[in-house]
Amino acid sequence: DGGITQSPKYLFRKEGQNVTLSCEQNLNHDAMYWYRQDPGQGLRLIYYSQIVNDFQKGDIAEGYSVSREKKESFPLTVTSAQKNPTAFYLCASRILTGSNTEAFFGQGTRLTVV
Amino acid sequence: KNEVEQSPQNLTAQEGEFITINCSYSVGISALHWLQQHPGGGIVSLFMLSSGKKKHGRLIATINIQEKHSSLHITASHPRDSAVYICAVRSSGSEKLVFGKGMKLTVNP
Repeated sequence: DGGITQSPKYLFRKEGQNVTLSCEQNLNHDAMYWYRQDPGQGLRLIYYSQIVNDFQKGDIAEGYSVSREKKESFPLTVTSAQKNPTAFYLCASRILTGSNTEAFFGQGTRLTVV
Repeated sequence: KNEVEQSPQNLTAQEGEFITINCSYSVGISALHWLQQHPGGGIVSLFMLSSGKKKHGRLIATINIQEKHSSLHITASHPRDSAVYICAVRSSGSEKLVFGKGMKLTVNP
């Protein structure tokens, strides 16, 4: 079945360590997105990519980095520069053909930094 | 003021009740999305609307572009409908989705 796979579901890291969250999609979608969700807040956009080898910063990109070497993969690295990395991270994708298309979301990764 | 406001923030209902969740937004949009998030965290897209009304099973979504308002209705609610319902809008000409804070629905048997 087609879909978006995020791994792992839960991740624990020590403060000061970089950590990479995986997002893979087999939907042949053009665009991929990373969002962060904190309690009591709406999802906020970290980075997005509309095409391989290109990506743009979202609203809260500081302390994060991404790559898009393959169409199906969009990993997110949470660096030690991110001041409050503990959060729930969601990856999404959508096809860009046509004016409005639905976004598909992964199951999320809950990152806890201790 | 947030660009996307949802009301109520929390709702507890009895099984079988008709439920309405509201979403108001302040920007011009190309599309509005209703999403469902279960306790495990994964998000499912329920509807994408740019005008009018859509129905899927017991769920109905409406949008009034002039009033910048959308509603999600659940008929004959069931405990399995318990989830967080999130409204999100895509501004005209933008790649970005702006999300509401979500509304937590609990349906008791």
